[in-house]
Amino acid sequence: AQSVTQPDIHITVSEGASLELRCNYSYGATPYLFWYVQSPGQGLQLLLKYFSGDTLVQGIKGFEAEFKRSQSSFNLRKPSVHWSDAAEYFCAVGNRDDKIIFGKGTRLHILP
Amino acid sequence: DSGVTQTPKHLITATGQRVTLRCSPRSGDLSVYWYQQSLDQGLQFLIQYYNGEERAKGNILERFSAQQFPDLHSELNLSSLELGDSALYFCASSPVLGSGNTIYFGEGSWLTVV
Repeated sequence: AQSVTQPDIHITVSEGASLELRCNYSYGATPYLFWYVQSPGQGLQLLLKYFSGDTLVQGIKGFEAEFKRSQSSFNLRKPSVHWSDAAEYFCAVGNRDDKIIFGKGTRLHILP
Repeated sequence: DSGVTQTPKHLITATGQRVTLRCSPRSGDLSVYWYQQSLDQGLQFLIQYYNGEERAKGNILERFSAQQFPDLHSELNLSSLELGDSALYFCASSPVLGSGNTIYFGEGSWLTVV
């Protein structure tokens, strides 16, 4: 069965600082990996996804993520965060039937 | 706007009651998912339908049921409601099965059980 662990429940960074959100997954086959963002009172919006090929994936809003098979990780990064990036971020793993399981999320706080 | 429409947006009901949440997927999407989001459990996968057939089941209680209709809209029925059922219920949709399609989320239906 597939599962996702996001070890950090809350992360606080200063505006303009770099960001890395951690995600570890468990899945027997090649996973499909996703990062979604949820702003307060909103649904989830896809930031980026990995299916195959280049292990460094570029997404919207200046985010990127790197798939590391040896570490079963898919960490999300951004070189310089903006106050508008404050939100909750979800990592997810999918199988070939599109059953997608989400981690518990990491809430990002931005200091001015 | 993801194109996934959920109604109602907010719902308050009493314990023991039954409610129905409705979802219209994006135009052309055949697959519909239901998720429950609560503070203590996070985002839990409930059930997935594909072209009217149940495809995958997650942590869905027996008091809950869902279906997808021929026009591809879906309904999630929650019965014998308990206080702990208070949560945000998301519907999501994707085009077809396989190959890790992106799923698109609606804005959710807030259910409060009092």
